[in-house]
Amino acid sequence: GIQVEQSPPDLILQEGANSTLRCNFSDSVNNLQWFHQNPWGQLINLFYIPSGTKQNGRLSATTVATERYSLLYISSSQTTDSGVYFCAGDNQAGTALIFGKGTTLSVSS
Amino acid sequence: DARVTQTPRHKVTEMGQEVTMRCQPILGHNTVFWYRQTMMQGLELLAYFRNRAPLDDSGMPKDRFSAEMPDATLATLKIQPSEPRDSAVYFCASGRGYEQFFGPGTRLTVL
Repeated sequence: GIQVEQSPPDLILQEGANSTLRCNFSDSVNNLQWFHQNPWGQLINLFYIPSGTKQNGRLSATTVATERYSLLYISSSQTTDSGVYFCAGDNQAGTALIFGKGTTLSVSS
Repeated sequence: DARVTQTPRHKVTEMGQEVTMRCQPILGHNTVFWYRQTMMQGLELLAYFRNRAPLDDSGMPKDRFSAEMPDATLATLKIQPSEPRDSAVYFCASGRGYEQFFGPGTRLTVL
């Protein structure tokens, strides 16, 4: 079955809007991370968040490991937030990240 | 600040040619990963090294791909011979513990 599932697949926002991205992960996946792939293709670490809540500026993330989901919150979105947001977790052996298919975010001014 | 570096950033080659991609992990990181990203498959692991030893290359086509770490500051991924279906972005990542940090990628086009 699907190990890491993200929703929604696409999101279009006006600048200034808030959004929530969701990641569901299976029992075989742990140690969630969130990445932003910008329009130039660079994969940037946002959060390493196996559990709990972290905040960094306008972004915050919460992982509820017992319920196998993680949420990424973007507040007061800006055009520079556009790109693809991936969540990923370790496989059972801890030898690879299993990536979701991503949420493509487009923020327009 | 510390970053994973990859060279070349772009490579266009003809089918049958050898391609070598290089990665310099972040100093002090003991794990190195090679991933490939395509539109169809998304991001998938090709190879994994811990303390320079290859631990998992099950995602890599063995007949044409090879990955090595000649020393702690260099990881290489070779394709020989290259095929059009190898066209993709190849990412190197390094880490210490579970968190991984990605390089800028090598965009490979095989004609």
